[in-house]
Amino acid sequence: GAGVSQTPSNKVTEKGKYVELRCDPISGHTALYWYRQSLGQGPEFLIYFQGTGAADDSGLPNDRFFAVRPEGSVSTLKIQRTERGDSAVYLCASSPTPQGVTDTQYFGPGTRLTVL
Amino acid sequence: GNSVTQMEGPVTLSEEAFLTINCTYTATGYPSLFWYVQYPGEGLQLLLKATKADDKGSNKGFEATYRKETTSFHLEKGSVQVSDSAVYFCALRALTGFQKLVFGTGTRLLVSP
Repeated sequence: GAGVSQTPSNKVTEKGKYVELRCDPISGHTALYWYRQSLGQGPEFLIYFQGTGAADDSGLPNDRFFAVRPEGSVSTLKIQRTERGDSAVYLCASSPTPQGVTDTQYFGPGTRLTVL
Repeated sequence: GNSVTQMEGPVTLSEEAFLTINCTYTATGYPSLFWYVQYPGEGLQLLLKATKADDKGSNKGFEATYRKETTSFHLEKGSVQVSDSAVYFCALRALTGFQKLVFGTGTRLLVSP
């Protein structure tokens, strides 16, 4: 079956611009996660959705970052007034349910964002 | 807070050598532990996991044992192949705020023929 997909695969933008990154989770997965991976680092948690609601957004670095999941499937990560420090690979993951610590998270290929 | 510490890389080995990548963690309670692998040009893939103390996760010849007493989850493989060249990430998922994974910084493995 289809895995997690993310679009675009690469995004180059200028400082100060607005960007949207899209994630299509595995069909039927209710839990969706966004992570950010800077060069040479491990992924860092940004936000977690259970269904349509953001259950934990404690990883969002500041109010320039926002994410939505209006119908409980596709999610969009939105970054306003981009800064060079936002350059990273943005990863999306999904899992069948949020219950229990054993659920596996399945990752997409990521969107590489470069802010010039 | 919760954290994961991995040995720095790169780890450079010849084919058929024995591999160990060290991972230790700090967490309250008993987290679930994971190893993810990122092959060149590909996304993160779950390699193996263990959910309680003394559990051994295994997959594709790789193994890791959840050691509560040493708070460790070292990754091992008896005989590496060139195709194992990748970046390996150790991660935990805690009991509280259990949705998010906390990753180490990753260890790059380079295997030469």
